[in-house]
Amino acid sequence: AQKVTQAQTEISVVEKEDVTLDCVYETRDTTYYLFWYKQPPSGELVFLIRRNSFDEQNEISGRYSWNFQKSTSSFNFTITASQVVDSAVYFCALSEGGRSNDYKLSFGAGTTVTVRA
Amino acid sequence: DAGVTQSPTHLIKTRGQQVTLRCSPKSGHDTVSWYQQALGQGPQFIFQYYEEEERQRGNFPDRFSGHQFPNYSSELNVNALLLGDSALYLCASSLIANYGYTFGSGTRLTVV
Repeated sequence: AQKVTQAQTEISVVEKEDVTLDCVYETRDTTYYLFWYKQPPSGELVFLIRRNSFDEQNEISGRYSWNFQKSTSSFNFTITASQVVDSAVYFCALSEGGRSNDYKLSFGAGTTVTVRA
Repeated sequence: DAGVTQSPTHLIKTRGQQVTLRCSPKSGHDTVSWYQQALGQGPQFIFQYYEEEERQRGNFPDRFSGHQFPNYSSELNVNALLLGDSALYLCASSLIANYGYTFGSGTRLTVV
């Protein structure tokens, strides 16, 4: 069963527009961790944000913000005032720690973001 | 501070051959994980090494094996290569599981 679903395959915006990426996850653990990674054409996965299941506080970090809602199992990510350098594939990932000792990251299929000048 | 280093960056192999990919973790990290990323898909977990032992394994056949050395570096070995093994192989390191993983740029393996 797919544990992380990113329903948006591709998003194209014009520079300075906001971009919101959707992520829905599935887990039976009460302790788990959610991540967003960015993958530019170079291939390296760049860590963006991490949230644990006990912290639903939504924050803003520079142009990035996230909305974590356990009630709907969603962990959405927003880029404000997008720039061309934000063009990349964005992955949402889940790690189920807790009692299951499941250390792996389960990734979604990714959303390709294209920011046009 | 060097991040995760992988070698080689690109590799072309023939079906049936064997391949070894290498990974040096970020300084201070003791756990290494390997992922396979097929074109257009998200990375899939292969296995994770901690204290020189395989701690967890994903749904990959025994043709995929690994090793972790005392200096925490790691190797991924794939035997009897198939065309379907063509992918980007990513190595990730961490100090404490779930605190965030640092990824390398990957090794692009092409099997012909």
